[in-house]
Amino acid sequence: EAEVAQSPRYKITEKSQAVAFWCDPISGHATLYWYRQILGQGPELLVQFQDESVVDDSQLPKDRFSAERLKGVDSTLKIQPAELGDSAMYLCASSLWSRQETQYFGPGTRLLVL
Amino acid sequence: QKEVEQDPGPLSVPEGAIVSLNCTYSNSAFQYFMWYRQYSRKGPELLMYTYSSGNKEDGRFTAQVDKSSKYISLFIRDSQPSDSATYLCATRTSGTYKYIFGTGTRLKVLA
Repeated sequence: EAEVAQSPRYKITEKSQAVAFWCDPISGHATLYWYRQILGQGPELLVQFQDESVVDDSQLPKDRFSAERLKGVDSTLKIQPAELGDSAMYLCASSLWSRQETQYFGPGTRLLVL
Repeated sequence: QKEVEQDPGPLSVPEGAIVSLNCTYSNSAFQYFMWYRQYSRKGPELLMYTYSSGNKEDGRFTAQVDKSSKYISLFIRDSQPSDSATYLCATRTSGTYKYIFGTGTRLKVLA
């Protein structure tokens, strides 16, 4: 069964450093989402892509976060500089454009900022 | 007030019990409702998807939506230890695929 791949699974960094997370969606899924899930809370959408275009980045802290999906396939989420409050699970999900109600999540990247 | 409220638990039940998980929401424009299951250190997995009011059944799982009281429920029959996970409710309006998630309820099914 096809799955959403994410790497790394775990990342420990010091504040003010740069970090990057990678996501490879299920083949053929045009829509890609990045979520942030703080411990004990539900996922919060950061950015949504349709192919290589950003559909919604209203919740993305653009002063330090950036996301790209240059060829409309895999995607990178970057934080620079990282802050203590960025410690969370970063989840990537993908879906068919015509079936966005069914989002498939990857295993996530757990980030700890010291 | 959060748009979606969910009791974080933990909820502990014996194996074979019927489990009731609930969420309330504040925005009457929400029309689509989802339940996700999330095992520890894993991403959420879609369990149930419903539109508007009513019931939907899938195996041991039943999702129920009461739009008049802005209340959504997930029932698990004959609960198993493998059902132990965090259950997240989520909802959205008809004009967007931006989901609003609850905080999740941790469920423990004891063997």
